[in-house]
Order: sequence, then C-alpha cells, then structure tokens
Amino acid sequence: GQNIDQPTEMTATEGAIVQINCTYQTSGFNGLFWYQQHAGEAPTFLSYNVLDGLEEKGRFSSFLSRSKGYSYLLLKELQMKDSASYLCAVNALNYQLIWGAGTKLIIKP
Amino acid sequence: DGGITQSPKYLFRKEGQNVTLSCEQNLNHDAMYWYRQDPGQGLRLIYYSQIVNDFQKGDIAEGYSVSREKKESFPLTVTSAQKNPTAFYLCASSLDRGPEAFFGQGTRLTVV
Repeated sequence: GQNIDQPTEMTATEGAIVQINCTYQTSGFNGLFWYQQHAGEAPTFLSYNVLDGLEEKGRFSSFLSRSKGYSYLLLKELQMKDSASYLCAVNALNYQLIWGAGTKLIIKP
Repeated sequence: DGGITQSPKYLFRKEGQNVTLSCEQNLNHDAMYWYRQDPGQGLRLIYYSQIVNDFQKGDIAEGYSVSREKKESFPLTVTSAQKNPTAFYLCASSLDRGPEAFFGQGTRLTVV
C-alpha cells in the first residue's frame, strides 16, 4: 500500500528552529510537496522537491532523499503565526497526490 | 485576480438531503479535484477531472457525484447515500500534471 508518515504534533518556542519529518512509501514518485494549513482554512503551498537535496526559501527549507523515502521541512526563527498544520504530500503514480495526515505545530512564547 | 472559489463556506443540511458544493476557478487549469478532510486525517481524494466532460473516482467516491461541463466549474454533490457526510471539503485545481495545486477556501458541511 501507499502511506505517508508524519508526527501528529510538535511544540516549539518562538524564535527557535523546528524540523518536521516525513517518510513515504508510494507507487511512483514525481515530487514531494509541503503545504501549510491554518485551522479551518485551505492548505497553502510552501515547497516542492523533486531532486535530492535542500531547497531554501526564506525562513523555510525543505530536504529530500529519494533513496530513503524521506523529507523534512525546516522552519527557522519561528513566529507565532507559524502555528499551523504542515502537510506532506507525494506526487505518486499517474501524478496522483498522496497526503500525509499533517503535523500540528504549536508555537509557545 | 485569478483564483479558485468555493461556496458556501459553511453549509448545514438535514440527513437524507442531497447537497451540492460549488467550485469555480479562473486560472485556466485543466485538472480539478475534490478532497475530504476529517480531523486528524490527511486529505482524501473523492473525485478528480483532468479534462472537460471527463472525471475519475478517487479513493472515497461512494455517496458522491460530480460533473465537469465547463473547464471552470467542478461541482460536487453529496448524496443521501454518503453515510457520514459531515466534513471539511476542499476543491483544488492544477495545470495538468503540474507540480502545484491551488485550493479553494473550503466548505464545512454539517449534516444534522
């Protein structure tokens, strides 16, 4: 079967750094996405990795290792507004998106 | 401004009634999707369409129906056959096989 695993919940302190991991097993791989979703709202696109390595975009970075079926999202200089759920999704066989359950990130002052 | 619009944001229906959720996009995207999101779970695909007048079942299509008569529109009907319809419904669109999906604001359906 296909599955994507993420931690259910994480807590971090304002101003700190947090790493959210995602492991996947899918039929086919055409890229991995990270989305941010605030409670009751739609997901918004953060990053897309299709090749191994680190992609940096401001305070957010995303890493991919295809051989390990592993990705992480790194958030630096955490702000209270970063409190949200972070969804990992894989573009799998036939370009269908397989979604993880999301990681709820709680930021404390 | 280009975007994808879902309406309404909140919807209440009595058990046994069919209800249709609207999704419109003006991004000229070929592909459109309907997802269901329940607490503590990832997005689950209900239906998707890659071209006008064609659509495919996703993982949880039972109790739902869709149509794609226009490129811009992909309405979802939640029928009385759906056993547990209360959920957050998200519509998305993308360029055909494009990397990024754009989401509507979502519709929270409550069946009482």
